[in-house]
Amino acid sequence: GAVVSQHPSWVICKSGTSVKIECRSLDFQATTMFWYRQFPKQSLMLMATSNEGSKATYEQGVEKDKFLINHASLTLSTLTVTSAHPEDSSFYICSARDQGLAGVEQYFGPGTRLTVT
Amino acid sequence: AQSVTQLDSQVPVFEEAPVELRCNYSSSVSVYLFWYVQYPNQGLQLLLKYLSGSTLVESINGFEAEFNKSQTSFHLRKPSVHISDTAEYFCAVTSNLGGNQFYFGTGTSLTVIP
Repeated sequence: GAVVSQHPSWVICKSGTSVKIECRSLDFQATTMFWYRQFPKQSLMLMATSNEGSKATYEQGVEKDKFLINHASLTLSTLTVTSAHPEDSSFYICSARDQGLAGVEQYFGPGTRLTVT
Repeated sequence: AQSVTQLDSQVPVFEEAPVELRCNYSSSVSVYLFWYVQYPNQGLQLLLKYLSGSTLVESINGFEAEFNKSQTSFHLRKPSVHISDTAEYFCAVTSNLGGNQFYFGTGTSLTVIP
């Protein structure tokens, strides 16, 4: 149980284009999902908290117009990198919290490797 | 807010030797603590967690960690490592007051040498 998937697992796009990354909770409902960014050999940096049916909460320094987050259902959140540039190349990881449990554990997806050329 | 410090960025250790990966945290409130493992080009996998109760928690693959409130530490240990334990290990903390945000350490790269 408690599986989170991400699609695609890796993507290469040209500079100036937009890329959408999906995060799904496969066997539980998640009112809250989180998006992280990880640079090589570094830790995870929280980008935003995605809440079902409402606007995402972005961390300081994260451009909300560039990283569009949509949490359309209890099992799906999407991150769209708009007008991507090479500096947006990174490993993007989502996580989800099971709303049916009283605990605080987050379940992480396998990540999406984005390369902008 | 909380913060996590992992003092060792890289830890090389010979196969079958013991290892300790250090984690210290800072928080003005009570916390939950986690260790995650990340293999190359993969997401994070939960290794073990401390929520309450016994301060010594164990994983199914031989790792253990002890919550020490007085020293604000949650060090990860294994008495005998395997080649397959080579990975990146992240310590994380979150408040037990209902906040959702996880704070991660910078990670420790464990390399097991044959």
